[in-house]
Amino acid sequence: SSELTQDPAVSVALGQTVRITCQGDSLRTYYTSWYQQKPGQAPVLVIYGRNNRPSGIPDRFSGSSSGDTASLTITGAQAEDEADYYCNSRDSSGNHLVFGGGTKLTVL
Amino acid sequence: QVQVVESGGGVVQPGRSLRLSCAASGFTFSTYAMHWVRQAPGKGLEWVAVISYDGGNKYYADSVRGRFTISRDNFKNTLYLQMNSLRAEDTAVYYCARDRQWLLAFDIWGQGTMVTVSS
Repeated sequence: SSELTQDPAVSVALGQTVRITCQGDSLRTYYTSWYQQKPGQAPVLVIYGRNNRPSGIPDRFSGSSSGDTASLTITGAQAEDEADYYCNSRDSSGNHLVFGGGTKLTVL
Repeated sequence: QVQVVESGGGVVQPGRSLRLSCAASGFTFSTYAMHWVRQAPGKGLEWVAVISYDGGNKYYADSVRGRFTISRDNFKNTLYLQMNSLRAEDTAVYYCARDRQWLLAFDIWGQGTMVTVSS
């Protein structure tokens, strides 16, 4: 299996842009998906594939990838974006999935 | 509306078994792969297992392989997770999630069911 590494915590000023990263060897091969989780709630898919947003996800959320690193960018962060964010992708076997450790986003 | 609802959680002693269920509605269950994902108290998400739309392919995390079995009944629109030889480290909220496209993303999540393994 492979690991996905995320920064444990990131902060951003209200209205500013923040990038949350996810690093792992398997990201050179497979797409990353991103999930937002607020306290006491189930995760919500925010970005998947090359850079796709499910219906209802604001367009301030975007995704990108380069080499072994995938990024989730929030352009103009809002107070309601404060949450834990998890990346997910396949591992090197291609048949298993793995989550990053999660990044706690604080909006100041 | 499109939703999945988990049930079957509870408190169980180490070494015992438990079966979780996930009832799907609002979509054609038989055409989607399905997953179980868990989250220990205060910890991150951990992928547990996946089953293909027809039940023909199943994959498990190393931490549960040989102890847990994922299955589905497409006539009942229900996903299952049979958990045997439970350990304290299996204590978690267990989520059922729909696979948007084979191993691409989890696009629909339930609210989860809590499993506590304790003597």
